[in-house]
Amino acid sequence: GAVVSQHPSRVICKSGTSVKIECRSLDFQATTMFWYRQFPKQSLMLMATSNEGSKATYEQGVEKDKFLINHASLTLSTLTVTSAHPEDSSFYICSATFGGGGNSPLHFGNGTRLTVT
Amino acid sequence: GQNIDQPTEMTATEGAIVQINCTYQTSGFNGLFWYQQHAGEAPTFLSYNVLDGLEEKGRFSSFLSRSKGYSYLLLKELQMKDSASYLCAVKDSNYQLIWGAGTKLIIKP
Repeated sequence: GAVVSQHPSRVICKSGTSVKIECRSLDFQATTMFWYRQFPKQSLMLMATSNEGSKATYEQGVEKDKFLINHASLTLSTLTVTSAHPEDSSFYICSATFGGGGNSPLHFGNGTRLTVT
Repeated sequence: GQNIDQPTEMTATEGAIVQINCTYQTSGFNGLFWYQQHAGEAPTFLSYNVLDGLEEKGRFSSFLSRSKGYSYLLLKELQMKDSASYLCAVKDSNYQLIWGAGTKLIIKP
């Protein structure tokens, strides 16, 4: 159980274009979804937290106008990287949980490798 | 500030046992998680500890001492497929997950 699907797994785009990444919880209702970014050989960096039906909470240093997050339903959240630049190239991972309590683990999507040329 | 420390890299031999340590300093504590992450893939959940003691799950065990701010992940009968990064994460008083940088485990035949 607790499957999170993330799409696409890889995307290559030209500088200046926008890319949308989808994250779906397939067999549970995700009250909260998280978006992470991970650079090579580094740990996960939380970008934003989104709760269904409300605005995302962005971490310090993350531009909300550049990384648009929409959490329209309990099973779907999207991250749109607008006007992508080469420095946005990274591994983006979504995760979801169905409870905020202590023992609720995060279930991760398989990640999206974004390369901006 | 909040901090989680774990070794950057460890090497072990196939069939042996390895212990990966994690120490933490956080504002409050609501549980500690261990995740496994293979290169280029997303993390997968391994274990959860909230009370002191040892939690065993097959070849993997995780230990917690809240008074010492310390946990370890014990891997027995190592297999080549166990080569991965192991991430320690703690939920603080606000139930926010604080992540360690991960320990890269290299298994040699």
